[in-house]
This record gives sequence, C-alpha cells and structure tokens, in this order.
Amino acid sequence: DAGVIQSPRHEVTEMGQEVTLRCKPISGHDYLFWYRQTMMRGLELLIYFNNNVPIDDSGMPEDRFSAKMPNASFSTLKIQPSEPRDSAVYFCASSWQALGYTFGSGTRLTVV
Amino acid sequence: AQSVTQPDIHITVSEGASLELRCNYSYGATPYLFWYVQSPGQGLQLLLKYFSGDTLVQGIKGFEAEFKRSQSSFNLRKPSVHWSDAAEYFCAVGAANTGGFKTIFGAGTRLFVKA
Repeated sequence: DAGVIQSPRHEVTEMGQEVTLRCKPISGHDYLFWYRQTMMRGLELLIYFNNNVPIDDSGMPEDRFSAKMPNASFSTLKIQPSEPRDSAVYFCASSWQALGYTFGSGTRLTVV
Repeated sequence: AQSVTQPDIHITVSEGASLELRCNYSYGATPYLFWYVQSPGQGLQLLLKYFSGDTLVQGIKGFEAEFKRSQSSFNLRKPSVHWSDAAEYFCAVGAANTGGFKTIFGAGTRLFVKA
C-alpha cells in the first residue's frame, strides 16, 4: 500500500486566491482526518469523516475553510479566499476504526 | 472532553542513554492512548498504542510505554537511544464522541541526541 497520499507537497499562493489540498486515504480505512500544524498552535484537528460523512467540523477555523469527501478514496480541503495566517502544514490521516492513524506527508502551504 | 499534556518541550540525551518522555492525560473513562513520532518534513508515524489489557505496551523501533491509571500517565521509554531517534514525539488521547472518534494530540516533545 502506498500509504496516505497528499498533494501538492508544497503550495505557494497569493492572498485572496483559492487553495485546494487533496488527500487519498488508505484503501479500506473508514475514518479520514484533516489536521493543521503550526509552531504556535501545534496539531489542530480541523474536521473528520467517518464513512465519507463529516462527523465533526468544529475545528474548522472559519467559513473560508471547507472539506469534502465525495467517495471513500478522495477528500479535499479548500480555503477560499486564502490569507497569510493560513500558512501551515496541513496533514491528512486515515484509520480503520480508531486503531491508530496513518498520516500523509503533508502539504506545506505558504500564503503571501 | 479529553486533553493531553507533555510537560517537556525538548529533551537532550546522549546516544546510548535511556530515554523517558512524559505524557499526562485527562479523560473520564479509560482512554485510547498513542505515541507518534515525527521526523523533519514528514508526517506522524504511529509508535504504539494502548486500548486495554497489559499496561506495558511494546512498539516499533524499540520503544515501549506504560499506562498508569493512578497517575493518568502514559510515558514513553527506550533503554538505549540511537542518533536516528532524534525527532519530535507526540502523545495522543482518543475517545469516542457523538457519531465517531476523536484524537487530541499533545504539544510534542522534541528529542535531541548528542554523540
């Protein structure tokens, strides 16, 4: 298995632009999580899905953030419009039940 | 709601010395507990987990952790540290909530290994 695959690895964009981060979870996993990591805040859970259904999006910072999981093999996290304070590393993770997560390598987002 | 505290922001140990990283959690019932490691530029990798049963759990890379309910702790140990263990280590606590399962991560402890 190739693990959790995230794209792109790096993204540099201008303030106000739309950003879309992508994630392919491990086949057979029923949970998918989006986390954001910064020096100031550490790892923050943004949203998670169970069987493609969003369960808890209370960590999404504001309406500029949205996430979808149209099927079991794909999820997106979208920021529109992006702001410099959104600069962070965004991780996707998946798991079967709750038996420990497999993380992707992350997307480093820089908004200038 | 669950929470997790890692009291040490960073720790430095000599190669070959033993290691113990501290983790304290807060949760009303028996939690699910995890340790993850993150190398620079990488995602987190699961080292070990505790759900129930034997309170001493073995993980990958020679790590172990012990669950102590009376102290609300889940400390990570390794008898002899290698230079390649230098990384950031995260303790995490998971619990069921409405409709699913949520894991909260500690702030992390950065391990430095000196020759």
